[in-house]
Amino acid sequence: GQQLNQSPQSMFIQEGEDVSMNCTSSSIFNTWLWYKQDPGEGPVLLIALYKAGELTSNGRLTAQFGITRKDSFLNISASIPSDVGIYFCAGVNAGKSTFGDGTTLTVKP
Amino acid sequence: GAGVSQTPSNKVTEKGKYVELRCDPISGHTALYWYRQSLGQGPEFLIYFQGTGAADDSGLPNDRFFAVRPEGSVSTLKIQRTERGDSAVYLCASSPGLGLSYNEQFFGPGTRLTVL
Repeated sequence: GQQLNQSPQSMFIQEGEDVSMNCTSSSIFNTWLWYKQDPGEGPVLLIALYKAGELTSNGRLTAQFGITRKDSFLNISASIPSDVGIYFCAGVNAGKSTFGDGTTLTVKP
Repeated sequence: GAGVSQTPSNKVTEKGKYVELRCDPISGHTALYWYRQSLGQGPEFLIYFQGTGAADDSGLPNDRFFAVRPEGSVSTLKIQRTERGDSAVYLCASSPGLGLSYNEQFFGPGTRLTVL
């Protein structure tokens, strides 16, 4: 079946640093979604990507959809303590989403 | 406006019992999704509704799991003869289902199911 490989598994950074994480797949997806999940809550949508090569920003977040539709990256600039959480990528085909296992981000003040 | 709501927030049951989990999607969203999330993993797709019909139920693990959405709004996930391995957080999401943002899924807080 379809699988997403998300890396790194965890990151420990200093406040103010930039962060980069990525997602790869052996399958092509029509849509890529990036989510953030805090403990005890559902994932919150950060960015949606629909076109191959698309680069989209949302405040300090920037994400790109790979040309081959098999990968995506998420960058966070100038990290702050509230960026702490688990970041998930998800590929979507015909309504069915496949999630990676997440990148856990810890930000040290 | 109101987001996706799920009830109950927590459910503890005994092995072999029947449970129902409810999801109220965002008003006007035609698509509704159920996922299961275990600790340390991403959400795992179970089923996707477009309107009242199940467009894709390929993620349901076996015939003990069933979901309905009779009026195209509220959905209920039903689990028969629960097993300890069913313990997880069950997440519901909804999306507009059409237009440019058709796939942008908004999640509820989840129902934590514990099977003793």
